[in-house]
Amino acid sequence: DADVTQTPRNRITKTGKRIMLECSQTKGHDRMYWYRQDPGLGLRLIYYSFDVKDINKGEISDGYSVSRQAQAKFSLSLESAIPNQTALYFCATSDRTGGPETQYFGPGTRLLVL
Amino acid sequence: GNSVTQMEGPVTLSEEAFLTINCTYTATGYPSLFWYVQYPGEGLQLLLKATKADDKGSNKGFEATYRKETTSFHLEKGSVQVSDSAVYFCALMANQAGTALIFGKGTTLSVSS
Repeated sequence: DADVTQTPRNRITKTGKRIMLECSQTKGHDRMYWYRQDPGLGLRLIYYSFDVKDINKGEISDGYSVSRQAQAKFSLSLESAIPNQTALYFCATSDRTGGPETQYFGPGTRLLVL
Repeated sequence: GNSVTQMEGPVTLSEEAFLTINCTYTATGYPSLFWYVQYPGEGLQLLLKATKADDKGSNKGFEATYRKETTSFHLEKGSVQVSDSAVYFCALMANQAGTALIFGKGTTLSVSS
């Protein structure tokens, strides 16, 4: 079984709809992240959480919200989707025990907003 | 602020050719440096990392040396294979509390037989 899972893997929605992307991990890591990937722009950080009670905005948090329901679960919501939120979304986890931080990525969710 | 700059792609090579993908960084202090690889249709996987100046990270025939004097972490492989075709991302982690990974924009490598 994969260590970091994302659901759904693909989603098509319409402008103005609320959607949620979910991420679960079995690695036991405290830290979780949401990124979006756009062609030619690499990965940009949306939100990150260093533990259940700690949520931080990343580079491009506008239009998004997150919920850290448990150590293993970190959800990303688009309250009112717009077409420029069409992208590939990645969840990642990490810990800093035993050395420098290494992030482990999920397989991604491809989102299309019409 | 902290940033990572990678050479733009795509990079197109024949099998067994030598590969270099340039990466330079701007950061305060002494960051940790990483190369991630993304195969078609998949998430990112850690390829190699280095945590201090002159460290060499290596994995699957790829190498990169942390050069503080030139603020660089270039990725190299002596003989590429078709299966190396992927997008490669250079990234840094500033060694300060409460920071996250900063990625370059990625370089697409295409290897033909």
